[in-house]
Amino acid sequence: VIWMTQSPSLLSASTGDRVTISCRMSQGISSYLAWYQQKPGKAPELLIYAASTLQSGVPSRFSGSGSGTDFTLTISCLQSEDFATYYCQQYYSFPFTFGPGTKVDIK
Amino acid sequence: EVQLVQSGAEVKKPGESLKISCKGSGYSFTSYWIGWVRQMPGKGLEWMGIIYPGDSDTRYSPSFQGQVTISADKSISTAYLQWSSLKASDTAMYYCARQGPNSSGSDYWGQGTLVTVSS
Repeated sequence: VIWMTQSPSLLSASTGDRVTISCRMSQGISSYLAWYQQKPGKAPELLIYAASTLQSGVPSRFSGSGSGTDFTLTISCLQSEDFATYYCQQYYSFPFTFGPGTKVDIK
Repeated sequence: EVQLVQSGAEVKKPGESLKISCKGSGYSFTSYWIGWVRQMPGKGLEWMGIIYPGDSDTRYSPSFQGQVTISADKSISTAYLQWSSLKASDTAMYYCARQGPNSSGSDYWGQGTLVTVSS
């Protein structure tokens, strides 16, 4: 089983800030990593796949980078609708696993 | 338009059985893996398992192996998650999600099914 850590677990930020979330794997996964956004009471939504490819319809202020064991999600200019919880997920090998999540809230 | 529509909320007693569903439409149901994800109240996402409806190849997370059964009926484009004996700790929101093409992660999600287990 591939284990994942995310940091920070809670990120307090203001609209317009640049924010970065990290995800680290217990073993290398090439670029088989996705990032999801989840708002309260809603299903998760895919933001980025293959570590750095933006899902269709996702604003360009979201970007992803990394490969192997270390990955990053960056929101270049935080908007009000971006306050949510973010999860990374590896789909390199079964069982696919999610990171514990990072909640981005208003400072 | 791709859609995954899940069955409605359930309230059950401990020890009862349950089968919830996820109906896919707008794409070739047999050509994409469908996974199930648990989210306990106030907690994160947990990957439970996945099925390929084309040949019913099924994989489970060790945490859920033996606790649930994942199946699919390709004739009606529907995947299922079932329990034979529910526990209070099964209380959670359950999501189905399609594993997208070209190694793209889970690109479409169902709306979720809330399962409440209480005596």
